[in-house]
Amino acid sequence: EVQLVESGGGLVKPGGSLRLSCAGSGITLSNAWMSWVRQAPGKGLEWVGRIKSKIAGGTTDYAAPVKGRFTISRDDSKNTVYLQMSSLKIEDTAVYYCTTEDVGFESWGQGALVTVTS
Amino acid sequence: DIVMTQSPDSLAVSLGERATINCKSSQSVLYSSNNKDYLAWYQQKPGQPPKLLIYWASTRESGVPDRFSGSGSGTDFTLTISGLQAEDVAVYYCLQYYSTPRTFGQGTKVEI
Repeated sequence: EVQLVESGGGLVKPGGSLRLSCAGSGITLSNAWMSWVRQAPGKGLEWVGRIKSKIAGGTTDYAAPVKGRFTISRDDSKNTVYLQMSSLKIEDTAVYYCTTEDVGFESWGQGALVTVTS
Repeated sequence: DIVMTQSPDSLAVSLGERATINCKSSQSVLYSSNNKDYLAWYQQKPGQPPKLLIYWASTRESGVPDRFSGSGSGTDFTLTISGLQAEDVAVYYCLQYYSTPRTFGQGTKVEI
């Protein structure tokens, strides 16, 4: 069974940085396309970005609102994917989910809450 | 970017009755080389992550009850819940995975 566990969420001031981790079990994350999806309080789902599998080149893509501020990376030795967030804005406040991506987004973590507030 | 528009935003259905949710994409999500629609449906209950119900527009994910069905092709899609159960109260989203950025519909809240 695939399990994804996010960690690293918390409170941060506007302009600050935070790194989320997504640890996988039951799956080798380097073999998977991994995406981050966020959900602002009371709002819908928004795709944030993705890192392709190693065999697909391991390249990354980002949504326009976070491009240049967020970076997705992977540590294969820890079977973990990261979302490095910088220059955070109040509108980045959300629950951030990591997901596997194949036919849509299949397995999801429970999410990590990021609150950007002064 | 492909814009996904769901209708209605919310609906109330009696137990045992049918719920129908529509999703329209601003451009086709049908990939001609394999004749597959890159469209998925999700169910999200409060405090939980979304759960994949349907992919390729009409293929039910393993373990999903057969009262959930997806239909449509190209730009117009439907999720049908036949015989609504109390545990189906949730918000439902469609997703296109035809192109990047991946985009979701705004969600449809289903209530009893």
